[in-house]
Amino acid sequence: DAGITQSPRYKITETGRQVTLMCHQTWSHSYMFWYRQDLGHGLRLIYYSAAADITDKGEVPDGYVVSRSKTENFPLTLESATRSQTSVYFCASSDIQGRFSGNTIYFGEGSWLTVV
Amino acid sequence: AQSVAQPEDQVNVAEGNPLTVKCTYSVSGNPYLFWYVQYPNRGLQFLLKYITGDNLVKGSYGFEAEFNKSQTSFHLKKPSALVSDSALYFCAVRGPVSGNTPLVFGKGTRLSVIA
Repeated sequence: DAGITQSPRYKITETGRQVTLMCHQTWSHSYMFWYRQDLGHGLRLIYYSAAADITDKGEVPDGYVVSRSKTENFPLTLESATRSQTSVYFCASSDIQGRFSGNTIYFGEGSWLTVV
Repeated sequence: AQSVAQPEDQVNVAEGNPLTVKCTYSVSGNPYLFWYVQYPNRGLQFLLKYITGDNLVKGSYGFEAEFNKSQTSFHLKKPSALVSDSALYFCAVRGPVSGNTPLVFGKGTRLSVIA
C-alpha cells in the first residue's frame, strides 16, 4: 500500500532553473494539496485540487504552477526557482471534502528542496 | 477566516509525566479539529480528530484531545510521556461553512520528552 509518494525526496537546484516536484497517490482521493513547511511559519498551503483539471490557489501560490490531468498525480512546478523557495514541500490527499469536512488529510514523506 | 494558534513553540516534559500540547482555534460555526505528528525528516501523521459528539477524543499512540467549545481549545494530552513521543505536533482546523476549504495548520509545537 504505497499511499502517497513524492519525488524527488531531495533536490538541489540553481536560482532561475525550473523544478518539478512529483506527487502520486494510490487511494483515488478526490482532493490533493501542496504545502510548504518553513521554520516559524508551520505549514502553508500553496495550491490544491478538488478533482482532475480543477485547481485553486492557497495561501502562498506565487512562483508555483500546478496541473492535474489525472486524479492520481499532482505535480508542482517552480517555473524559475528562487532562494526563498528553499523549503520542505509536502503533498497530501483526502477524500471528498464538501459534505464531509471531517475527512482526514494524508501526507507524503516530503521533498526537501534547496535553491542555491 | 479560520485560524489556529499553538501558543508554545517548545514543550519539555520528563518521561512518565503527563503532557499537554495546547491549541486554540477560531472559526465560524462548529469546527473540525485535527492533530498531526511529525517525526524528523518525515511527513505528517494523523493522530486524531474531533468532528462531533464526545468532547474527549482518543487517538493513536495513547494520545487524546479534549474539545472545549467555550474556550475554543483542543489541547492534546497523554497521561504518561515516552521519549519516543518527542516530535513536532501540529493542530489544524476547518470550519463547516468553509465547505471545500482545506485545513489550516498551526505553526507547530516541538515536544521534547527527557529520560
